[in-house]
Amino acid sequence: DVKVTQSSRYLVKRTGEKVFLECVQDMDHENMFWYRQDPGLGLRLIYFSYDVKMKEKGDIPEGYSVSREKKERFSLILESASTNQTSMYLCASRLGQGRYYEQYFGPGTRLTVT
Amino acid sequence: AQKVTQAQTEISVVEKEDVTLDCVYETRDTTYYLFWYKQPPSGELVFLIRRNSFDEQNEISGRYSWNFQKSTSSFNFTITASQVVDSAVYFCALSEALSGGYQKVTFGIGTKLQVIP
Repeated sequence: DVKVTQSSRYLVKRTGEKVFLECVQDMDHENMFWYRQDPGLGLRLIYFSYDVKMKEKGDIPEGYSVSREKKERFSLILESASTNQTSMYLCASRLGQGRYYEQYFGPGTRLTVT
Repeated sequence: AQKVTQAQTEISVVEKEDVTLDCVYETRDTTYYLFWYKQPPSGELVFLIRRNSFDEQNEISGRYSWNFQKSTSSFNFTITASQVVDSAVYFCALSEALSGGYQKVTFGIGTKLQVIP
């Protein structure tokens, strides 16, 4: 079974702090994704990575950056957290670039910025 | 541009009733894939099914069935004899190719299903 783990289930940070969200997958998947989930808006793609050290912006990259130094790990960075970044953050991985591949999701990190 | 519409934001049914979750999509691509995912209260989305744009056969898996109609751009999901364990948020998603060979997946906003005992 593919397992995607995220470093925290719940996180509370203060405005202006730098926040790191970590995601690790254990099935040698090439592709990894970061989404945020908000009520009424569904899942919105922040960034994705098709390979190590490679990243592409998704639909809402502003205020975020990512890092993928190793194949199994994909980090989301909030450079200076703001209250409008309070959300559920979901990490996902996928075997490869084929559009038929399903995504495997982690349990999510619920981030609150105060 | 691609778009996935799940017009039902919340549905409540009594246990053992049948329920259909609607999904309508828009795409200019001729080759694409559609997916359904389930997100139980624990939070982790779980893959349920995929369907490619050339395969319009309906699929049944136990109490779950899916109806893909390309003519109406719909990929609806029916749960027969619903159970409390079916309570979850269900997402429909569309995967298509972007220029440069990348694949983009767009999710609908989800339908929250509550099955009342």
